[in-house]
Amino acid sequence: KAGVTQTPRYLIKTRGQQVTLSCSPISGHRSVSWYQQTPGQGLQFLFEYFSETQRNKGNFPGRFSGRQFSNSRSEMNVSTLELGDSALYLCASSLVSVAGLETQYFGPGTRLLVL
Amino acid sequence: KQEVTQIPAALSVPEGENLVLNCSFTDSAIYNLQWFRQDPGKGLTSLLLIQSSQREQTSGRLNASLDKSSGRSTLYIAASQPGDSATYLCAVSVNNQGGKLIFGQGTELSVKP
Repeated sequence: KAGVTQTPRYLIKTRGQQVTLSCSPISGHRSVSWYQQTPGQGLQFLFEYFSETQRNKGNFPGRFSGRQFSNSRSEMNVSTLELGDSALYLCASSLVSVAGLETQYFGPGTRLLVL
Repeated sequence: KQEVTQIPAALSVPEGENLVLNCSFTDSAIYNLQWFRQDPGKGLTSLLLIQSSQREQTSGRLNASLDKSSGRSTLYIAASQPGDSATYLCAVSVNNQGGKLIFGQGTELSVKP
């Protein structure tokens, strides 16, 4: 069974640009979550999508947005990039079953560098 | 607001030693707690998941315990090996939908041959 895949793996952008990252969950997984990881703040939750609907949201500005497609693939978009957006963006998928039992499976991440 | 703390931030041990990593959380209203491993520049690998109703989980040389009332979890690694060198993260699930995890800052473990 293929794991969670993320594309692209590396990205360099300049301030003010926008970027779109993609995540393909494990087959059959309907929940996709996004996290930002930086050396200073650690891993922070961005948002979660389930059945094409945003189900949970973290404390990030509106420049960060996402969506999920009918095949459960998800994209996140960051508009008007700032230097502080440089980070490793991780996507995780889970098989929604019984509450409290969902193991999160993480992808390798997309490393974004904003210059 | 749920906060997760991991102590120590870094740990260096000789090969073969048994060790304990600590995780504490401020709000006992969690649905589960997970321990992850992260190798440099890589994604996270799930090691163990403990449901809120459970006290411990074991997988090979790893044993994780959970004490919800005191807001603590420990990850015990037996007979450590150089291949165990990585950053270990604990995370709590704060709602019954599972998709939102609150992470600690991690413990960077180095096992010397």
